[in-house]
Amino acid sequence: TQTVSQSDAHVTVFEGDSVELRCNYSYGGSIYLSWYIQHHGRGLQFLLKYYSGNPVVQGVNGFKAEFSKSDSSFHLRKASVHWSDSAVYFCAVSASSNTNKVVFGTGTRLQVLP
Amino acid sequence: GALVYQYPRRTICKSGTSMRMECQAVGFQATSVAWYRQSPQKTFELIALSTVNSAIKYEQNFTQEKFPISHPNLSFSSMTVLNAYLEDRGLYLCGAGGQNTEVFFGKGTRLTVV
Repeated sequence: TQTVSQSDAHVTVFEGDSVELRCNYSYGGSIYLSWYIQHHGRGLQFLLKYYSGNPVVQGVNGFKAEFSKSDSSFHLRKASVHWSDSAVYFCAVSASSNTNKVVFGTGTRLQVLP
Repeated sequence: GALVYQYPRRTICKSGTSMRMECQAVGFQATSVAWYRQSPQKTFELIALSTVNSAIKYEQNFTQEKFPISHPNLSFSSMTVLNAYLEDRGLYLCGAGGQNTEVFFGKGTRLTVV
């Protein structure tokens, strides 16, 4: 069974700062890794995903994430955040043998201060 | 493109009554549909995964008796929350995927129980 953990429940930065949201997973086989964003009171919005190939994947709105097999990580980064990036970010993992069963992390609430 | 629509987007039901929510896949064949619940301030918990021509698999703490699911064709699924109580409130998310494709999520149905 795949698991995913997001160690930071809350992250607060100032507008223009860089940010890294951490995600670690555990699973013995090949997996899909994804990041989603949820603005307050809204549904999920897809940011990016990784399955194979270049371990650095570019997403929407300047987000990117890097897959590391050795660290079992898939951290999300943005070089310069905007106040509109304030939201909850969910890391998600699914086994490649059963991609439709997605396991979500507990989420990281990002607060961007002006 | 592939889209997943969920309706209603928001609904209110009286405690002890039932609420049916629907999920429509457009632009692809949804061979699998997963239903998730996000309780207030929580992450997304998998309720059940339905795969066409297979039995619906419910996760621990969720039962068919409480959350009956229908997945009659490759574009539609519905789930009912029977005898809803306060602890059933939250955002219900539908994730649909085809064979060897990523999962596409709808915007969710937000259930309020009064």
